[in-house]
Amino acid sequence: ETGVTQSPTHLIKTRGQQVTLRCSSQSGHNTVSWYQQALGQGPQFIFQYYREEENGRGNFPPRFSGLQFPNYSSELNVNALELDDSALYLCASSLAGGGSSAYEQYFGPGTRLTVT
Amino acid sequence: TQLLEQSPQFLSIQEGENLTVYCNSSSVFSSLQWYRQEPGEGPVLLVTVVTGGEVKKLKRLTFQFGDARKDSSLHITAAQPGDTGLYLCAGYYAGNNRKLIWGLGTSLAVNP
Repeated sequence: ETGVTQSPTHLIKTRGQQVTLRCSSQSGHNTVSWYQQALGQGPQFIFQYYREEENGRGNFPPRFSGLQFPNYSSELNVNALELDDSALYLCASSLAGGGSSAYEQYFGPGTRLTVT
Repeated sequence: TQLLEQSPQFLSIQEGENLTVYCNSSSVFSSLQWYRQEPGEGPVLLVTVVTGGEVKKLKRLTFQFGDARKDSSLHITAAQPGDTGLYLCAGYYAGNNRKLIWGLGTSLAVNP
C-alpha cells in the first residue's frame, strides 16, 4: 500500500507569483482534501475533491484552486501569492462511501511554502 | 470561529506522569478523530470514534467519545519522551463528511 506523497517538500516564492503543489493519494482512495496549516495552528480546510470535482470548500479566496485527475492525484494552485500564504500545505486522501472508514483521512508530509 | 476547543494548549510534564487532553464543542459530531503531528510532518491518524460513550485504547493511550458526541478526551498513562508532539482532534458534523473541523492542538512535551 502506497501512502500519500506530496511535492515539492519545500518551496520559496515571491509575492505575486503563482505556485502549484502536487499530491498523490494513497492507493485505493478516491477523495483528496487540501489544508493550510500555519505555525502553531491546526489545519484549515481549503477544499476537497471527489471524482475530479470540487466537493466542498473552506473560507479561502478563488485564487486558491485545485484539480483532481483520473488517477485521483491532485494539484493545489495558488495565484497572486501573498506573504500570509506562507504555511505548511497538507494533502489528505480518503475513501468516500466506505462506512466508518469514509471518515478517516491520511495525510502526506506536506509542502512548506515560504512567500517573500 | 473555533468550533472545536482543545485544552490545554501546551503541556510540559515529566516522564512517567499521566495526562489528559480535552476536545469540546457545543455541536454534535458524527465522528471524531485524534491525530499526532511532529514538526515538519503531516498529522498521523491515531484513532476514530463514532459511537457516543465509546472508549478505545491504543497501548498507553485511551480515547473516549462523550455520550452526547460533543466532546472527547485523550488520556496518556506513564508518558514517555517519545509521546512528545502536537495532538490534534478533528471531527465531522453530523450529516457533513466533507469538511473536517479541527481543534488548534495540544503541544505536549515529555521531559526525561
